[in-house]
Amino acid sequence: DAGVIQSPRHEVTEMGQEVTLRCKPISGHDYLFWYRQTMMRGLELLIYFNNNVPIDDSGMPEDRFSAKMPNASFSTLKIQPSEPRDSAVYFCASMRREGALGDTQYFGPGTRLTVL
Amino acid sequence: DQQVKQNSPSLSVQEGRISILNCDYTNSMFDYFLWYKKYPAEGPTFLISISSIKDKNEDGRFTVFLNKSAKHLSLHIVPSQPGDSAVYFCAASVEKLTFGTGTRLTIIP
Repeated sequence: DAGVIQSPRHEVTEMGQEVTLRCKPISGHDYLFWYRQTMMRGLELLIYFNNNVPIDDSGMPEDRFSAKMPNASFSTLKIQPSEPRDSAVYFCASMRREGALGDTQYFGPGTRLTVL
Repeated sequence: DQQVKQNSPSLSVQEGRISILNCDYTNSMFDYFLWYKKYPAEGPTFLISISSIKDKNEDGRFTVFLNKSAKHLSLHIVPSQPGDSAVYFCAASVEKLTFGTGTRLTIIP
């Protein structure tokens, strides 16, 4: 299995531009998570989906952030307009729930976003 | 408000000795605890977990201890090896994972 695939791996953009991050989860996984990693706050959960339906988006920082999952094999996280404080590493993770939500999440390699 | 705290941002340990990474939490509803390991330029990978009904779980060189009364979790690595140098995140779950800020472990040869 190829694991969780994220693209792009690196993104540099200017303030005010739209940024779209992409994720392909592991086939057969029914949960998908978007996280943001910063030095100050560590790994923060932004939003997660179950069977393509958003379940909890309470971690999304503000209306500039949006996420979609049009099908079981693809999800996007969009920032519009982007700001310098959005600079971080964004991770996508997927999971197949076999019991409690303590089941293992599998992370992608991340997208390092730099907003100038 | 950080519900999961790793108060040591970094730790250095001699190769062959024991590494002890600590984690504190505030939410008594957490029912599952996990440790993830992260190398540079890679995503975190699952290391070991423990249910709230247990106080110890062991997997090879890695042991996780849970002290519910103190709301404290620790990861013991023995013996430590150079390949263990990474950032370690503890995480706690009640419906979703809450991660700590991580501890960078450096194993000195």
